[in-house]
Amino acid sequence: AQSVTQPDIHITVSEGASLELRCNYSYGATPYLFWYVQSPGQGLQLLLKYFSGDTLVQGIKGFEAEFKRSQSSFNLRKPSVHWSDAAEYFCAVGEGAGSYQLTFGKGTKLSVIP
Amino acid sequence: SAVISQKPSRDICQRGTSLTIQCQVDSQVTMMFWYRQQPGQSLTLIATANQGSEATYESGFVIDKFPISRPNLTFSTLTVSNMSPEDSSIYLCSVGQGNEQFFGPGTRLTVL
Repeated sequence: AQSVTQPDIHITVSEGASLELRCNYSYGATPYLFWYVQSPGQGLQLLLKYFSGDTLVQGIKGFEAEFKRSQSSFNLRKPSVHWSDAAEYFCAVGEGAGSYQLTFGKGTKLSVIP
Repeated sequence: SAVISQKPSRDICQRGTSLTIQCQVDSQVTMMFWYRQQPGQSLTLIATANQGSEATYESGFVIDKFPISRPNLTFSTLTVSNMSPEDSSIYLCSVGQGNEQFFGPGTRLTVL
């Protein structure tokens, strides 16, 4: 069975600092990987996704993520964090094309210090 | 991308009662999903609801507790039956389009 681990429950960074949120997955085949953001009182918004090809993917709001098969990781990065980035971030793995089955990690809450 | 709305956005309910949550999509979609997000936890899939067929429930979730309707390609309901405080969660619907899922804003349920 597939699984997703987000090792950091809560991260606090200063505004303008760089950010990296960790995600490790377990999946037997080539995974479909996603990062979602959930702002307080909001639903989930897709930041970016990886299906195949270039292992560095660009997303919305200045986020990027790098797929590293050897490390089973899909870490999310942003070079300069804004106060509006404070939210909960979820990594998810999907079964593949045509399947919408997603397994989510437990999330990382990001706090931003002015 | 699909735009999804849910009603109610939040509710406070008494133990033993039932609540029906509505999910409306602005376009026709085949696959809709219902998730539960317990406090401080991640999302757990409750069931998949495809129009024209019975909902498919994940392990640990049963139809008697979470009956689902899917009358057409733009609408679904999830009922949380005979509620207990353990049912206090955010309930989210989502739809599958292309290779992505799009999520509604969620319904925050508190059971007293």
